[in-house]
Amino acid sequence: SQELEQSPQSLIVQEGKNLTINCTSSKTLYGLYWYKQKYGEGLILLMMLQKGGEEKSHEKITAKLDEKKQQSSLHITASQPSHAGIYLCGAEKYRGTYKYIFGTGTRLKVLA
Amino acid sequence: NAGVTQTPKFRILKIGQSMTLQCTQDMNHNYMYWYRQDPGMGLKLIYYSVGAGITDKGEVPNGYNVSRSTTEDFPLRLELAAPSQTSVYFCASSWGEGYNEQFFGPGTRLTVL
Repeated sequence: SQELEQSPQSLIVQEGKNLTINCTSSKTLYGLYWYKQKYGEGLILLMMLQKGGEEKSHEKITAKLDEKKQQSSLHITASQPSHAGIYLCGAEKYRGTYKYIFGTGTRLKVLA
Repeated sequence: NAGVTQTPKFRILKIGQSMTLQCTQDMNHNYMYWYRQDPGMGLKLIYYSVGAGITDKGEVPNGYNVSRSTTEDFPLRLELAAPSQTSVYFCASSWGEGYNEQFFGPGTRLTVL
């Protein structure tokens, strides 16, 4: 069955450093979503990518989906303590389906 | 708009007890979902609904039941709680299928002892 592999599982960086989180699938992804989760809260959508080669940015966060649509990356530039949390990638299991699968998450800590 | 609300936020159950996790959305979304999140694991789909009166099983439905009598509400029922059901439960909703953002509730942290 299709699974999403996320790496790294956890990350500790110094404030101001750049970092990248990866999400890899064995099959083509349809609709790739990046969520951020803070402890005790639900998931907040950061980016939604649909097309191969697509790249989106918001503030200091950039998400990319490769041409084959099997790998996505989330890049944070000049990290801040407010970026700390758990980052999850999610994708539609099949094209146009309402069933989603999620990666195991990356726990990010930013040291001030 | 409150979005997706869940109650309770925390609960401790004894083995064999029953409880209902409540989920309500005020966005008039057709689709609603229940997920569980175990430590170090991603979200696993328990049940989902594509509209009032329609529900279907996800990946891990055993030990749970759901109902969808209205568009707004999608309660999750645990009949005989087991330690394996200790988890964080998230309810989510979306407009429909395909490239749809899912809106998540804050979660219910359940411990079964």
